[in-house]
Amino acid sequence: EAGVAQSPRYKIIEKRQSVAFWCNPISGHATLYWYQQILGQGPKLLIQFQNNGVVDDSQLPKDRFSAERLKGVDSTLKIQPAKLEDSAVYLCASSRGRQETQYFGPGTRLLVL
Amino acid sequence: DQQVKQNSPSLSVQEGRISILNCDYTNSMFDYFLWYKKYPAEGPTFLISISSIKDKNEDGRFTVFLNKSAKHLSLHIVPSQPGDSAVYFCAAWGQTGANNLFFGTGTRLTVIP
Repeated sequence: EAGVAQSPRYKIIEKRQSVAFWCNPISGHATLYWYQQILGQGPKLLIQFQNNGVVDDSQLPKDRFSAERLKGVDSTLKIQPAKLEDSAVYLCASSRGRQETQYFGPGTRLLVL
Repeated sequence: DQQVKQNSPSLSVQEGRISILNCDYTNSMFDYFLWYKKYPAEGPTFLISISSIKDKNEDGRFTVFLNKSAKHLSLHIVPSQPGDSAVYFCAAWGQTGANNLFFGTGTRLTVIP
């Protein structure tokens, strides 16, 4: 069974630029999550999808972050414009359903200069 | 506010000995706890979990203990192997309204050959 795929693996941008991350979950997993992991901290949930609907986006800075999962499979997370404090690893995870074991992708490491 | 805490950022153990990683939580509504293991440049991988109706769960060399009255859980690895060297995250979820998974800040385990 293929794992969660993410791209790109690394991205360096300047502040105020835009960036997008892509995630392909494990086949058949209905729930998809985006986490932000700042250096020295644990992952923090940004947004949770159930199929193509948003379950929880209370921690998503909506003035600059957006995410979509249009067909209930792949998802993209966008930051526009980026700030220095957005430098982090962005992790995508998926699970069969809510409150089931989450499987993580390798993450995208973002550096904002 | 950090609802799941791992107060030891690092731990070193000799190969063959027991590793004990600790985790405390503050939210009494949490009812399911997980441990994830993370190697550099990879996403966290699920290791073991425990429901709040149990006080112990064992899987091979890994055992998780839960003390609900103290809001404390621990992960025991016996015997420790060099391949266990990684960052270990404690995580919790429950009937907190958002059904989110809350992570601790992680403990870096180094197993010395």
